[in-house]
Amino acid sequence: GDSVTQMEGPVTLSEEAFLTINCTYTATGYPSLFWYVQYPGEGLQLLLKATKADDKGSNKGFEATYRKETTSFHLEKGSVQVSDSAVYFCALSTKKITGGGNKLTFGTGTQLKVEL
Amino acid sequence: GAVVSQHPSRVICKSGTSVKIECRSLDFQATTMFWYRQFPKQSLMLMATSNEGSKATYEQGVEKDKFLINHASLTLSTLTVTSAHPEDSSFYICSARDIGGVEQFFGPGTRLTVL
Repeated sequence: GDSVTQMEGPVTLSEEAFLTINCTYTATGYPSLFWYVQYPGEGLQLLLKATKADDKGSNKGFEATYRKETTSFHLEKGSVQVSDSAVYFCALSTKKITGGGNKLTFGTGTQLKVEL
Repeated sequence: GAVVSQHPSRVICKSGTSVKIECRSLDFQATTMFWYRQFPKQSLMLMATSNEGSKATYEQGVEKDKFLINHASLTLSTLTVTSAHPEDSSFYICSARDIGGVEQFFGPGTRLTVL
């Protein structure tokens, strides 16, 4: 079945450091790929997405490129801030379910802590 | 942006009792709502998909008689954990998809602890 594997956390960085959170996937067909972020006490929010190979999703300085050849969608940011501290989830979307839109499969989440 | 709320945020109950969790879309109409369960340091696992006015579709391995889902209106879905046991303790998260949309908007989650 479909699955998403992402690096375990927590990841602790100093402010302005470079961030990479690895994500690889296994899926049949050609899924859409997503990164969600969950700030403390809040729900998951869509951070960025890519719907086909070689697409690059970007938002708030974060970016990720859909790599079909390596089945990866690594999240990167050039200079992190304390406000980026959150849990980041990689996810993929498979075929549509009847009447319900796309089904999401999530990774385990990676906690990022950014310190001054 | 679209906002989804959940109530309660935390609940502690005794074994054998039933607990109801509400999921509301506050500023949009949601034809479809999803219920997820999250164990510590694990993925969000889809439990079921509910469509307004029809029966929920449960994922394999999820007991529909134990996890009752009702989606009676375009802004409210409820998940009732019946005869709860300690192994039902978990973090339950809902999401909602608006009419004609693709993106899911997530609630903040409900922490259930069964003693």
